[in-house]
Amino acid sequence: GQQLNQSPQSMFIQEGEDVSMNCTSSSIFNTWLWYKQDPGEGPVLLIALYKAGELTSNGRLTAQFGITRKDSFLNISASIPSDVGIYFCAGRGDLIQGAQKLVFGQGTRLTINP
Amino acid sequence: DAGITQSPRYKITETGRQVTLMCHQTWSHSYMFWYRQDLGHGLRLIYYSAAADITDKGEVPDGYVVSRSKTENFPLTLESATRSQTSVYFCASMRGYGELFFGEGSRLTVL
Repeated sequence: GQQLNQSPQSMFIQEGEDVSMNCTSSSIFNTWLWYKQDPGEGPVLLIALYKAGELTSNGRLTAQFGITRKDSFLNISASIPSDVGIYFCAGRGDLIQGAQKLVFGQGTRLTINP
Repeated sequence: DAGITQSPRYKITETGRQVTLMCHQTWSHSYMFWYRQDLGHGLRLIYYSAAADITDKGEVPDGYVVSRSKTENFPLTLESATRSQTSVYFCASMRGYGELFFGEGSRLTVL
């Protein structure tokens, strides 16, 4: 089945640093999404990408849909304490490959030292 | 308020007991999903539903049963709970092309 390789698995950074994480797949996806999960909560959608090459920003967050449709990255600039959490990438193939199901990466756990 | 609500938030049960986790959404989204989250495994899809009375298996369906008689409700039942089903369970609904909205999770412990 489809799999996503998300890296890094964890990051330990200083407040104010920039963060970069990415997801790669051997399969093509039509949609890439990035979610964040705070401790004790469900994941929350950060950014959705619908076109190959698309670059989208949401505040200090920037994400790109890879031109090959097999990868995506998420950057966080000038990290702050509330950025702590687990970040998940997710990909959606076409309906033939499995209805409206998403494939999730394993997550990147971000820890920030003040 | 609009959104997804799960109940119970916390549940402790014993091996062999039946447990039902409830999920309710107020958006009338067609698609709904159940995931379990375990350390080292990320989010794994248990079952999903494309509409009322239409359900299908996900990645890890064994030991679980779902139903969807109404669009807004999607309960998940563990017919005979096992310790391996100790996990955090998330219900979600989908808007558009892949935008999932998750509930706060149900934390289940099977003793």
